[in-house]
Amino acid sequence: DAKTTQPPSMDCAEGRAANLPCNHSTISGNEYVYWYRQIHSQGPQYIIHGLKNNETNEMASLIITEDRKSSTLILPHATLRDTAVYYCIVSYLGNQFYFGTGTSLTVIP
Amino acid sequence: GAGVSQTPSNKVTEKGKYVELRCDPISGHTALYWYRQSLGQGPEFLIYFQGTGAADDSGLPNDRFFAVRPEGSVSTLKIQRTERGDSAVYLCASSLGGAGSNEQFFGPGTRLTVL
Repeated sequence: DAKTTQPPSMDCAEGRAANLPCNHSTISGNEYVYWYRQIHSQGPQYIIHGLKNNETNEMASLIITEDRKSSTLILPHATLRDTAVYYCIVSYLGNQFYFGTGTSLTVIP
Repeated sequence: GAGVSQTPSNKVTEKGKYVELRCDPISGHTALYWYRQSLGQGPEFLIYFQGTGAADDSGLPNDRFFAVRPEGSVSTLKIQRTERGDSAVYLCASSLGGAGSNEQFFGPGTRLTVL
């Protein structure tokens, strides 16, 4: 599965949109992009995934570039409870996930 | 409904001992995964089951680690002759399995400490 690159940390003001980037330049045509987050001392939590088209659910939006070499996770109105480590993963069948070290997002009051 | 559960939540053992970690997946999920997470790192893939068989065990670090899923539901991760470097949080996840995209649901993990 392709590797991903994410910034190690980001800050976001409470109530503002948090935009978390991810580079996956070696992604292949049949690999999905998944986003998970992990709040301290808990197991990872699924957020959203997509293949080519942008996706939106009750938690977030996923914007995938046309060439699929990068994506952005958008939390539209960040709250303090969104403080967590966010992982971007690419995977063909959603089987073995390579998490990397993720982006530590801190939402500031 | 019930999520993925893992027992025990914490396990402290001595170097050289044998440990078993249990995972109860979500009912109806055919795929089950084990990961290991060291402090400050992301989860590291260990093994993936589809039904009763290990579909991919390429992440197991050495032959001291073994996992089973005899009836295609509950799984046990077994670690022989534990070493201090085995100390980590062991995470289990399950998914519906099958072709196409699969959302993995994670349990809370078992924190293993080897003294």
